Amino acid sequence: DQQVKQNSPSLSVQEGRISILNCDYTNSMFDYFLWYKKYPAEGPTFLISISSIKDKNEDGRFTVFLNKSAKHLSLHIVPSQPGDSAVYFCAATSYSGNTPLVFGKGTRLSVIA
Amino acid sequence: DTGVSQDPRHKITKRGQNVTFRCDPISEHNRLYWYRQTLGQGPEFLTYFQNEAQLEKSRLLSDRFSAERPKGSFSTLEIQRTEQGDSAMYLCASSLDPGGATNEKLFFGSGTQLSVL
Repeated sequence: DQQVKQNSPSLSVQEGRISILNCDYTNSMFDYFLWYKKYPAEGPTFLISISSIKDKNEDGRFTVFLNKSAKHLSLHIVPSQPGDSAVYFCAATSYSGNTPLVFGKGTRLSVIA
Repeated sequence: DTGVSQDPRHKITKRGQNVTFRCDPISEHNRLYWYRQTLGQGPEFLTYFQNEAQLEKSRLLSDRFSAERPKGSFSTLEIQRTEQGDSAMYLCASSLDPGGATNEKLFFGSGTQLSVL
């Protein structure tokens, strides 16, 4: 049973446009969400996170939106740059517990110059 | 380099052989995690340590897998009698648990790519 779902395996976006990556979760106990970026031959690196007490968190070009009622979050990248081309993983956990991160399958983003 | 380091980067072995991987976490981090990633999948949790104590093991971790973290520093992951299904990227990550609430901002190493022939 997949608790964190990223239903789009890939996404192509033109440089300068907005990239929107989506993630759905099923476990109601999850209340802390993270996005990781992964380049080939490297481990995932932390990008941005959001707690369930917020519905938006921004860091530069990256914004994460959380819709708790829909159990849905999205990552917006504006403007997209060729260096953003990578695999993006959504991850979730329970902030108050000791639940290890549960990852989605990832979305491969290609930003075309 | 003060990041998480893993050794070796690549390992090719024959079915039935034993393999051992090493992970050196960021020095002040008290939590250490092992994840496994196969093609087209996200990282899947295997086990984690708080200092030297192994606190949780996934049901993915069969009896052929064992992990240790002596003295709460580096960790090793051993796979005995490897099978072709063990072929995967094995990722190590560390974090600093501040106590109380979970801080799950994990720092990952580059992984060990295992190929079982």
